[in-house]
Amino acid sequence: RKEVEQDPGPFNVPEGATVAFNCTYSNSASQSFFWYRQDCRKEPKLLMSVYSSGNEDGRFTAQLNRASQYISLLIRDSKLSDSATYLCVVNLINAGGTSYGKLTFGQGTILTVHP
Amino acid sequence: SAVISQKPSRDICQRGTSLTIQCQVDSQVTMMFWYRQQPGQSLTLIATANQGSEATYESGFVIDKFPISRPNLTFSTLTVSNMSPEDSSIYLCTTTGDRGYNEQFFGPGTRLTVL
Repeated sequence: RKEVEQDPGPFNVPEGATVAFNCTYSNSASQSFFWYRQDCRKEPKLLMSVYSSGNEDGRFTAQLNRASQYISLLIRDSKLSDSATYLCVVNLINAGGTSYGKLTFGQGTILTVHP
Repeated sequence: SAVISQKPSRDICQRGTSLTIQCQVDSQVTMMFWYRQQPGQSLTLIATANQGSEATYESGFVIDKFPISRPNLTFSTLTVSNMSPEDSSIYLCTTTGDRGYNEQFFGPGTRLTVL
């Protein structure tokens, strides 16, 4: 089983649509969770961290369910500029509360928003 | 977040040769990491570049193939040695942010093609 699994997509949605991505992780010791966005031929850029209580940033909402080891990202009112690959990422924290540093990436979900 | 630059941005190399990639951060950072993204794949951690000591390599990566230097808190190099076409990848340098959430920020990457 992969450490981080995502919906493979691709997702093709019209402008204005709401789209949701799901992600599961296998290591229950994972402590930090993120969504990154990667545009074609570019480096990944942090979209948002995912907090235990869930968090929202404009049109983007992230949720975390530790019991189910499940993370989600909801994008409302999709824009053409949202077209990208969305990467689900988890990080382990050691007993001292600092990061091991090893980000584990899902395979990514491709989103295409069309007019 | 720290600003990260990498050199070269891309290169085409002959098999059997070696390439050294440089990563420069605009501020002192404790942790620096090197990732690889093979064509059509997600990202995989190669190693953690430790300042003043040997790098810590992930399973499947060895120092002879990917020697790393970290002479100070703002700079690191990754060498891809004795290259083969299978080493064709994007190599990315990252560092953690300063907000304590263990987020990582990526350099622009080095796109390597081995003929």
